[in-house]
Amino acid sequence: DSGVTQTPKHLITATGQRVTLRCSPRSGDLSVYWYQQSLDQGLQFLIQYYNGEERAKGNILERFSAQQFPDLHSELNLSSLELGDSALYFCASSTSPNEQFFGPGTRLTVL
Amino acid sequence: ILNVEQSPQSLHVQEGDSTNFTCSFPSSNFYALHWYRWETAKSPEALFVMTLNGDEKKKGRISATLNTKEGYSYLYIKGSQPEDSATYLCAFENLRAGTALIFGKGTTLSVSS
Repeated sequence: DSGVTQTPKHLITATGQRVTLRCSPRSGDLSVYWYQQSLDQGLQFLIQYYNGEERAKGNILERFSAQQFPDLHSELNLSSLELGDSALYFCASSTSPNEQFFGPGTRLTVL
Repeated sequence: ILNVEQSPQSLHVQEGDSTNFTCSFPSSNFYALHWYRWETAKSPEALFVMTLNGDEKKKGRISATLNTKEGYSYLYIKGSQPEDSATYLCAFENLRAGTALIFGKGTTLSVSS
């Protein structure tokens, strides 16, 4: 158990819908990262927050957005969902720059 | 575009065999190289973080080396056991990309008893 929690574990929804994925980092970790694992793709970095502020952005679609709240939990919002958005979404947290701890992931299925 | 390549894509060995995988990454703007172990239905678990050229890390039967000048890292498993079956991911940290990790697609190891 890495100490990072993600909810929900599974999510099934329809195209065009909007969903919110939630992540609680390890106690004391200020950085939260979101990654996407699609079929046949490696883990793709989406976005990073540090102590409430956006720190880095990767290949995140404009339909996706994220935020980190004062209690350091983070939410990833996915809107106008398409079939291709079906993936495993991981959240990771860290304190030091060198080590990231991954949550169990949320598996999103878009039908 | 920063690419991290891992080979082989998959590997099947017998219990007791020793094996190794390769991770290739861009050598410019290097910051750190990570190895993760990812078991099915679990989350990736950090094995090593290496930052210096020539670094060697060891954890039990698993070890890793790093060559930042030529842009590669090797992961070695000595005397493979069935519980070593997993996907091994390497990830690259680049000075320009901040602390975000750029992952390879992984090497999936299957160890038969």
